[in-house]
Amino acid sequence: EVQLVESGGGSVQPGGSLRLSCAASGVTLSDYWMHWVRQVPGKGLVWVSRISPEGRITTYADSVKGRFTVSRDNAKNTLYLEMNSLRGEDAAVYYCARVGRPGSRFDYYMDVWGKGTTVTVSS
Amino acid sequence: SYELTQPPSVSVSPGQTARITCSGDALATQHGSWYQQRPGQAPVMVMYIDTKRPSGIPERFSGSNSRTSVTLIISEVQAEDEADYYCQSADSSGAVIFGGGTKLTVL
Repeated sequence: EVQLVESGGGSVQPGGSLRLSCAASGVTLSDYWMHWVRQVPGKGLVWVSRISPEGRITTYADSVKGRFTVSRDNAKNTLYLEMNSLRGEDAAVYYCARVGRPGSRFDYYMDVWGKGTTVTVSS
Repeated sequence: SYELTQPPSVSVSPGQTARITCSGDALATQHGSWYQQRPGQAPVMVMYIDTKRPSGIPERFSGSNSRTSVTLIISEVQAEDEADYYCQSADSSGAVIFGGGTKLTVL
């Protein structure tokens, strides 16, 4: 069974930093494009970032560009999201998700999701 | 930037058919997907490439498309289908877009 498990969430002050991790089991992550998506409780899904299988291509939502960095360690089968200069509006549940077709740059559907990790930003 | 528009809410009685339509210019050049999210749970993909149903998703779920819209169709709606549904696509730069979500209520 393919599983994605996020970790690293927690409470941080405005301006602080956090690094989220997404560990995969039952699948070789290096074959897939991966995404981060966030959701404020009670609100909708918001896309954050994506990364290519080898990690060379990354794309970000305008709201996080320059503050967040997505990366991956395929040897560890793990995806990361480094979040700096955190703001109140970054508080959310963060999900990692896999693109359904291996290696496909132009498919965006996400067939496997983790359960999410919660980030709280508060002074 | 591109947007995807879907109705905030849809209500149907058990056994009826629910249709949720998502509209946006991005859908003219990129396929759409649909996700079901029950309270407190992660999203689950229920439709991809406009009309393809993933394995494990009931046949009651189907999809249709036109030039700038996609529609999720749930036939013979059951109580367990009550959830939030999100459409998703992408723009030409590779940025992913989600619709605002539709709350499906089974009366």
